[in-house]
Amino acid sequence: DADVTQTPRNRITKTGKRIMLECSQTKGHDRMYWYRQDPGLGLRLIYYSFDVKDINKGEISDGYSVSRQAQAKFSLSLESAIPNQTALYFCATSDGKKGNTEAFFGQGTRLTVV
Amino acid sequence: KQEVTQIPAALSVPEGENLVLNCSFTDSAIYNLQWFRQDPGKGLTSLLLIQSSQREQTSGRLNASLDKSSGRSTLYIAASQPGDSATYLCAVYEPGANNLFFGTGTRLTVIP
Repeated sequence: DADVTQTPRNRITKTGKRIMLECSQTKGHDRMYWYRQDPGLGLRLIYYSFDVKDINKGEISDGYSVSRQAQAKFSLSLESAIPNQTALYFCATSDGKKGNTEAFFGQGTRLTVV
Repeated sequence: KQEVTQIPAALSVPEGENLVLNCSFTDSAIYNLQWFRQDPGKGLTSLLLIQSSQREQTSGRLNASLDKSSGRSTLYIAASQPGDSATYLCAVYEPGANNLFFGTGTRLTVIP
C-alpha cells in the first residue's frame, strides 16, 4: 500500500457543486500539504498543516478549505467548484523533525469541473 | 518570490546515453533542493534531496549537484534506459515560506 493515499483518483463534477478530496498517510509525519498542478505552471501550494491544530494558507488558497481530522488525515474541499479549478491535485507529507523537510507525495487526484 | 526554471522542457536521447537535466532558482536562501520523478497517472517519486550545505548527492545512476550561490542544480543520469522516461521536477524548500517551489519539469524520453 502507498504511504500517502489520495481518494478519489479521478472525479468529474459540475460547476457549483461542493467536493472533498481526501488524503491519508501511514508515514507518521506531522506535516501535510495540498498542491495543485496545472500544465505549464508547476505545482503550487494551496494549504499546509504542521499538526492537527495548525492550518495555514498557501499561495493559492482562495476557493478552497481544508480540515486536518487527525495526524494521518488531511482533506481539501472546494466549496463551490468552478471550471478553472480543473487540475491535478496532490497531497504531500514531510517529517519536519530535526530539520527533515523531504516531501513524499500521493498519486494525485485528477479533478475536472464541467 | 522564488522562481524555479527547468531547461530543456523536453529531451529525447537514445538508450545508453549519459544526460544532464538543469534546474535554476532565483533566490539562494533555500534550505534544500529535491529532485522528483513523475510518471503519467502516478504521483511524484522523490529521487534525491540535497541540503543547502551539500554540493552533491548520488543514488545509483543518478547524481545531483547543487551550486547554491549561483542558483543552479543539475541531475546527471548515467547510461540512460527506456525505464527512465518520465518527467523530472526540481523543487526548492524555503523555510520562511514553508513551501516547496517547483519548476515545470523536463519531460525525458529514452529511445530504445
